[in-house]
Amino acid sequence: AQSVTQLGSHVSVSEGALVLLRCNYSSSVPPYLFWYVQYPNQGLQLLLKYTTGATLVKGINGFEAEFKKSETSFHLTKPSAHMSDAAEYFCAVSGGNAGKSTFGDGTTLTVKP
Amino acid sequence: DVKVTQSSRYLVKRTGEKVFLECVQDMDHENMFWYRQDPGLGLRLIYFSYDVKMKEKGDIPEGYSVSREKKERFSLILESASTNQTSMYLCASSSSGMGQGGARGYTFGSGTRLTVV
Repeated sequence: AQSVTQLGSHVSVSEGALVLLRCNYSSSVPPYLFWYVQYPNQGLQLLLKYTTGATLVKGINGFEAEFKKSETSFHLTKPSAHMSDAAEYFCAVSGGNAGKSTFGDGTTLTVKP
Repeated sequence: DVKVTQSSRYLVKRTGEKVFLECVQDMDHENMFWYRQDPGLGLRLIYFSYDVKMKEKGDIPEGYSVSREKKERFSLILESASTNQTSMYLCASSSSGMGQGGARGYTFGSGTRLTVV
C-alpha cells in the first residue's frame, strides 16, 4: 500500500522568496517519487522524479527535491519564486513495477508581487 | 514531442446520456489511466489498463466503464451520466519498459472538463 500527504493545501510566497512545498509518503516497497505541476485548465506535467541513486534531484524551472528515507519525505524547493511558478503542485508515489501512482491532494502555490 | 491527446477540452451532456471520453497516446506506452480531479479531492483513479483488452478498477469505478481495443487508445464511458460526474477528467500513460513500470512517471493529456446538466 502507498499513500501521499501534502502538508498545506495553499502556500503563498512573495516573488523572489524561497518556495517550500511539503510531501510525506508511505510505501511498503522502495518508492519512486514524483512532483507534477498543473497550470490552470491544463493537464499535469512532470517536474522531477526520484527513482534510485542521488537523493537530491533537480527538475525543470529551477525546482529541486530531496528524498529523505528516514523522514519519509520528498519536499519540493525553489530558491527564488517567480510569478510564473503560480500553479498547483502534486506529489506522487509509485512502488515497484506496478506502474500505478498515488497522488497527494495538491498544493496551490500563489506568488505575490 | 510525446503526446497524450484527449478528444475534447470541454463537454456538456445531459443527465442520463451515455458519454464517451477518448484518449490517444503516440508513445507506444503499455499503461494507461483515467483520473477525475475535483477541488480539494486531488486526483482519484477511476480505471487503468496495463495492456490491450485488459482493465482494472481503480478507487472510484462506480458509474464508469472503459475500453482498450488498441494499445494507443483508452476510452472512458459514462453509462448514464449524472450531475455528480461533473468533473475534470485526466488521461495519462506510462511505459512499463524493462520492469521499471513505476519509475517513468506519467504523461498526461490536457484534460476534459465535463459538465452534466
